[in-house]
Amino acid sequence: GAVVSQHPSWVICKSGTSVKIECRSLDFQATTMFWYRQFPKQSLMLMATSNEGSKATYEQGVEKDKFLINHASLTLSTLTVTSAHPEDSSFYICSASGLTGGDEKLFFGSGTQLSVL
Amino acid sequence: QQQVKQSPQSLIVQKGGISIINCAYENTAFDYFPWYQQFPGKGPALLIAIRPDVSEKKEGRFTISFNKSAKQFSLHIMDSQPGDSATYFCAVYNFNKFYFGSGTKLNVKP
Repeated sequence: GAVVSQHPSWVICKSGTSVKIECRSLDFQATTMFWYRQFPKQSLMLMATSNEGSKATYEQGVEKDKFLINHASLTLSTLTVTSAHPEDSSFYICSASGLTGGDEKLFFGSGTQLSVL
Repeated sequence: QQQVKQSPQSLIVQKGGISIINCAYENTAFDYFPWYQQFPGKGPALLIAIRPDVSEKKEGRFTISFNKSAKQFSLHIMDSQPGDSATYFCAVYNFNKFYFGSGTKLNVKP
């Protein structure tokens, strides 16, 4: 199946600093990428949808100035958590959608565990 | 508003048994129904998926049953193995958006 690479897999940062997470589709062009947040033992919460070359669409309640998303190319999207605080600590997962086998399939990165001290 | 409801929240099955996870939705516009498997600390991985024009799809030990009139679909894991122990999410899709169920934590006892 298609591969989505997400880096870093784990990051610890001090409160007030910014953290950038990268998401790459390695073997297909992803016109749309999604960013999710997952709390322990909970489902995936969609944060935003990004389309290549345009501004991201944020879900209700997600601060766009705090979670900056850039989708500069068909294979790369980045999520920057600005001025991170302990309550931003979470598991962040990116995904990319691509048309394969006639279906719009969603492929996930391996996730990034963010811990803000 | 929750687009898809998943049950049970957790499931314990003996090795060799059948694991069954159910999902229900309301919006008939959804036209693609995937299941994802997630191990701790990893991103979800696509397991199997079905379109609404098919009532059943089987891939190895994994089967999706789809009931369009009832707006329900389920995942069956035959001959469940300890390695199947993971969290499973159903999802529904349309208009370039995926919505996920709340997840089912499966524990297969050896």
